[in-house]
Amino acid sequence: QITLKESGPTLVKPTQTLTLTCTFSGFSLSTSGVGVGWIRQPPGKALEWLALIYWNDDKRYSPSLKSRLTITKDTSKNQVVLTMTNMDPVDTATYYCAHEGILYYFDYWGQGTLVTVSS
Amino acid sequence: QSALTQPRSVSGSPGQSVTISCTGTSSDVGGYNYVSWYQQHPGKAPKLMIYDVSKRPSGVPDRFSGSKSGNTASLTISGLQAEDEADYYCCSYAGSYVFGTGTKVTVL
Repeated sequence: QITLKESGPTLVKPTQTLTLTCTFSGFSLSTSGVGVGWIRQPPGKALEWLALIYWNDDKRYSPSLKSRLTITKDTSKNQVVLTMTNMDPVDTATYYCAHEGILYYFDYWGQGTLVTVSS
Repeated sequence: QSALTQPRSVSGSPGQSVTISCTGTSSDVGGYNYVSWYQQHPGKAPKLMIYDVSKRPSGVPDRFSGSKSGNTASLTISGLQAEDEADYYCCSYAGSYVFGTGTKVTVL
């Protein structure tokens, strides 16, 4: 059974760096073809894909946010970490991590974690 | 990469069919058969309903179906039920992912 859970701060100040951790079980990020992605959703708004990391450490980023994002993995801990620099109130959102299916879809999602950016 | 365009809302009575469109470009929806659809109830995480344009994951009722023509993908819900009332998002992969603007489905 695949499960994912996001963790991190619920409140960050403008200009600070956000660090979120996705802890998962039921699969390994050392298995060929496996990927874990991050998606966010501002309150009342649409989903927005942020980043994805594959078993071979290949990384993909949203073109519009690429300069602010870093995604890494710790295979031994079954964790994926996303950092986003220079946080702004418009970055207030629920952040989800998700398991990428065999080819280009997200079949398992975490419950999400709400991050508020405010001074 | 711009968000895929979906209607803001669609509605139907129980038992009816509704179709949600998802319009992109030849660089995303039209260029690859990697369109997926997600259902999201309020306060919940999205749930995969369709992948690879028209494939259903195990456990998803067969009244959910997907298709694509040119740069537009579609999700059809046949035999609408009360529990289908939710937000629906399309998503396309083309080297990176792009989601749709989202559609609220209301069961009258």
